[in-house]
Amino acid sequence: DIQMTQSPSTLSASVRDRVTITCRASQSISSWLAWYQQKPGKAPKLLIYQASNLESGVPSRFSGSGSGTEFTLTISSLQPEDFATYYCQQYNSFPWTFGQGTKVEIK
Amino acid sequence: QVQLVESGGGVVQPGRSLTLSCAASGFIFSDYGMHWVRQAPGKGLEWVAVISSNGNNKDYQDSVKGRFIISRDNSDSTLYLQMNSLRGDDTAVYYCAKPHGSGRNDFDSWGQGTLVTVSS
Repeated sequence: DIQMTQSPSTLSASVRDRVTITCRASQSISSWLAWYQQKPGKAPKLLIYQASNLESGVPSRFSGSGSGTEFTLTISSLQPEDFATYYCQQYNSFPWTFGQGTKVEIK
Repeated sequence: QVQLVESGGGVVQPGRSLTLSCAASGFIFSDYGMHWVRQAPGKGLEWVAVISSNGNNKDYQDSVKGRFIISRDNSDSTLYLQMNSLRGDDTAVYYCAKPHGSGRNDFDSWGQGTLVTVSS
C-alpha cells in the first residue's frame, strides 16, 4: 500500500496567515492526489483534485501543487472558517489511502 | 444537488452483523462506482470498499475482506454495506462517497455518516 505522510500534524496560525501543509507519498502517484477539509462532526469536503485543480465553489485562497511524491496545500490568507483538519488522499494505486491529517488551530 | 444519506448504524456486539444503507439522489446513480470510507473516533479516514457502477466488480480494504460485503440496487439508487463478524476496531463513522467522475477515485460528495459502535 502507498503510505501518505502529512506534516505538520498540528499547525497553529492566525487569521490572514499564509499556511502550507505538505503531503508525501511513499512512491510516485503522478498527480493523483486530492485534498479534503473536515470540520468536527462533519463529512470531509473536497478542496483540490489532481494535485492542483480547485474544486468548484472552493475559495481561490486554497491552492495545491506538486507531483510524484511531494505535494503541498496552501491557504494564502487564513480565514476563521478555515480552522479545520485537512487530509490528503492518493488515488493512483489501489487501495486508496489518506494521510493522517493536519489540524489547523487558532494561535 | 447530490445527496447521500446513510442509515443503519448503531451499537452491536462483537461477532454480530449490521447492514448500512446509503440512499442517493441528485445524480445518475447507475453511472458511478460508489465507495464506503470510515473514520474511527478521533482518527483519520480509511477507505473501506468500492463497487462498480453495474455492481459486478467489488474491492475491499484488507482488514474487512471476507467479512464485509458491498452491494447496490440501481433501481432504488441505494448502496449497502453488510458487515459481518464485527470487531472492536470496526467502530467508526461510516461514510458513503461518490467519485468525482466516472472511473475516478477521489470523492466529491459524502454522506453525513452513520456511527457503528462494536461493544459488548
